Amino acid sequence: DGGITQSPKYLFRKEGQNVTLSCEQNLNHDAMYWYRQDPGQGLRLIYYSQIVNDFQKGDIAEGYSVSREKKESFPLTVTSAQKNPTAFYLCASSRGRSEKLFFGSGTQLSVL
Amino acid sequence: SQKIEQNSEALNIQEGKTATLTCNYTNYSPAYLQWYRQDPGRGPVFLLLIRENEKEKRKERLKVTFDTTLKQSLFHITASQPADSATYLCALDEATGSGYSTLTFGKGTMLLVSP
Repeated sequence: DGGITQSPKYLFRKEGQNVTLSCEQNLNHDAMYWYRQDPGQGLRLIYYSQIVNDFQKGDIAEGYSVSREKKESFPLTVTSAQKNPTAFYLCASSRGRSEKLFFGSGTQLSVL
Repeated sequence: SQKIEQNSEALNIQEGKTATLTCNYTNYSPAYLQWYRQDPGRGPVFLLLIRENEKEKRKERLKVTFDTTLKQSLFHITASQPADSATYLCALDEATGSGYSTLTFGKGTMLLVSP
């Protein structure tokens, strides 16, 4: 089945710790995205990548980092510099600009 | 500043009625607008895309209108069913400085369809 897979479903971070959220897609999509969703809020764009080995900051990139070494993979690292990391994180992919987004099932990150 | 507004209050309707959700925007000139459905604890699922030169788009029981003069999109679900209960998000494309565009989402409106 083609799709986009996020793992883990739930993740806990200790203070001062970096954690990495995984996102893999087998849709052969060029573009991938990371969004953050807080309760009762819309999705906010963290980072996006239009093509392998290239990525751009979104609206709330501070405290996050990404890499795009393979077309299929776009991991997100939540660094210790992100002081309010508790949120629902969503990864998405698309064939390109102006195309619909396919979302993963999300990762809920909480702080211990 | 740019803003996308969707009704923050939940919309409660009876099964069989038509649900109408509103998306208003300011300070955007989107080339297209998309609607998504999101269930609790899940990722959004794409429903419909409508372009600026299209007035209306239909898919089965769903209909979307796009009025670039009013800066508004209406999303209709006819013959609503309890299974349609979810949060519905509208999203507009926003040009980046590098010739690309990304989607900016509204906060969504929760729809509750009672039997």
